[in-house]
Amino acid sequence: EADIYQTPRYLVIGTGKKITLECSQTMGHDKMYWYQQDPGMELHLIHYSYGVNSTEKGDLSSESTVSRIRTEHFPLTLESARPSHTSQYLCASSAPRLAADTQYFGPGTRLTVL
Amino acid sequence: SQQGEEDPQALSIQEGENATMNCSYKTSINNLQWYRQNSGRGLVHLILIRSNEREKHSGRLRVTLDTSKKSSSLLITASRAADTASYFCAPDYNTDKLIFGTGTRLQVFP
Repeated sequence: EADIYQTPRYLVIGTGKKITLECSQTMGHDKMYWYQQDPGMELHLIHYSYGVNSTEKGDLSSESTVSRIRTEHFPLTLESARPSHTSQYLCASSAPRLAADTQYFGPGTRLTVL
Repeated sequence: SQQGEEDPQALSIQEGENATMNCSYKTSINNLQWYRQNSGRGLVHLILIRSNEREKHSGRLRVTLDTSKKSSSLLITASRAADTASYFCAPDYNTDKLIFGTGTRLQVFP
């Protein structure tokens, strides 16, 4: 079981609310990622980070933002949630120098925007 | 797109049978990884095969890699109901990112 945590596991909110999805890992990994996945579909990389103060946009354009102030913490924020943001959000981390970029995933946050 | 493409999209078998899933990719790779995802959960890394390896085993899993055909296969032997999940391949093109496909949904009936 990987030491990477996501909260909340489920979130149902109304349109226009600001939300933050939390992701923390205790493995000291430099690289962290956020993926968006609709049911039965592929994972889309929306953000990643090489380390503290590093953030990059992924392959899928997203209205969310991320920050990386501490190595272990990589929160994702939506300033104004919309129904189109309804999806599952998966956080992952890796230590490429140790394990060839093997990624360790959290359990995910299932977001529903009404 | 550089994502790995898994085939078949869905597979249903009985317990005790073997399950084979295939993955094709686009260009040269450093390695190729296989992951498993239980419904509604995060992915779990299963096995990594490097570009200079042809076959690798881990328990009931056997992975092969054919770089000339740009393809890989995952074999699960003596499947169990608990193997029911989606399986994803992820080619590592040395771009600092893994690109996951849509996966193969495996259903194992008791």
